Amino acid sequence: GQQLNQSPQSMFIQEGEDVSMNCTSSSIFNTWLWYKQDPGEGPVLLIALYKAGELTSNGRLTAQFGITRKDSFLNISASIPSDVGIYFCAGQLGETSGSRLTFGEGTQLTVNP
Amino acid sequence: DTGVSQDPRHKITKRGQNVTFRCDPISEHNRLYWYRQTLGQGPEFLTYFQNEAQLEKSRLLSDRFSAERPKGSFSTLEIQRTEQGDSAMYLCAVGGVTEAFFGQGTRLTVV
Repeated sequence: GQQLNQSPQSMFIQEGEDVSMNCTSSSIFNTWLWYKQDPGEGPVLLIALYKAGELTSNGRLTAQFGITRKDSFLNISASIPSDVGIYFCAGQLGETSGSRLTFGEGTQLTVNP
Repeated sequence: DTGVSQDPRHKITKRGQNVTFRCDPISEHNRLYWYRQTLGQGPEFLTYFQNEAQLEKSRLLSDRFSAERPKGSFSTLEIQRTEQGDSAMYLCAVGGVTEAFFGQGTRLTVV
């Protein structure tokens, strides 16, 4: 089946630093999504990307849909303590797969004040 | 507010017991999904409903698992004869063709 490789697995940064994480796949996806998950909670949607090459921002977050449709990255600028959590990328093949999402294994972000 | 309410939030059960989880979308959504998440992993797809019809099931959904969405609104996920390997977070999500919005999940611990 499809696999998403997400890196890095964990990051330890100082408050105010920028962060970058990425996701690659052996398969082409039609949609890329980025989620954040806090302990004991469900994932919360941060950014959705629908077209190859698309660059989308949501506040301090910026994400891009790779041109090959097999990768995506997420940048967080000027990190703050509440950015702590696990960030997941998720890819979707489209209608033919019932719109199911395939998730990466997550990037654990720690922000030191 | 995630738009999805899941009950219970936590469940501890003895091995061999049956458990049932409920998912209530706050507003109408045609599509409803169940995912399972084990510690240190991303969520994995279990099954998907379009209104009341269950259109797709993952190979992860063994014969001990059954899901229903009788009126196309709320959904239930039942696990029969629970095993320790069933311990996980069970997530319900709703959405359209592309995006999915998750509930807070039900944490199941099988002892």
